[in-house]
Amino acid sequence: RKEVEQDPGPFNVPEGATVAFNCTYSNSASQSFFWYRQDCRKEPKLLMSVYSSGNEDGRFTAQLNRASQYISLLIRDSKLSDSATYLCVVLLSGNTPLVFGKGTRLSVIA
Amino acid sequence: GAVVSQHPSWVICKSGTSVKIECRSLDFQATTMFWYRQFPKQSLMLMATSNEGSKATYEQGVEKDKFLINHASLTLSTLTVTSAHPEDSSFYICSAGTPYEQYFGPGTRLTVT
Repeated sequence: RKEVEQDPGPFNVPEGATVAFNCTYSNSASQSFFWYRQDCRKEPKLLMSVYSSGNEDGRFTAQLNRASQYISLLIRDSKLSDSATYLCVVLLSGNTPLVFGKGTRLSVIA
Repeated sequence: GAVVSQHPSWVICKSGTSVKIECRSLDFQATTMFWYRQFPKQSLMLMATSNEGSKATYEQGVEKDKFLINHASLTLSTLTVTSAHPEDSSFYICSAGTPYEQYFGPGTRLTVT
């Protein structure tokens, strides 16, 4: 079983749509969780951290369910500029490296 | 946020030659840097953890004699791909910072012909 699993997509959605991505992780001892965004042929950039209580940053909402080992990202009112690959990232502890999922590709269409 | 640079941004080399990629933290000191490799439509795979002043720690399956890592100072780590082969063609990315706040370099696209 892969450490971090995501639906690769692609998700093709019209502008203004709401889209949700899911991610599962295998190691129940994982401590920290993140969503990164990666544009084509570019480096990943941190989008937001994910907390158990859920957190929101503008149009983006992240949720963590530790019992189910499940992380989600919700994007409301999609913009063309949201088109990218969204990477689910898990950290076991402060002394271990980040573990990346393969990413979910999103295309927002005009 | 902090800035990490990589050089070169892209390189084409012939099979059998060696290529050096530099990773610099421009506005902070990085005791630890990470080297990743990403093949098309694949996730970032950690190759090694580069520690300033000591030997790098390689992930399972990564040949340390082929991918030489040197972390000579707190702001510079280098990855040398020795005797490159076409299958080494990939996107190589470094990162630095704490695990909770990691900054990625812009990546180096290597093509081996």
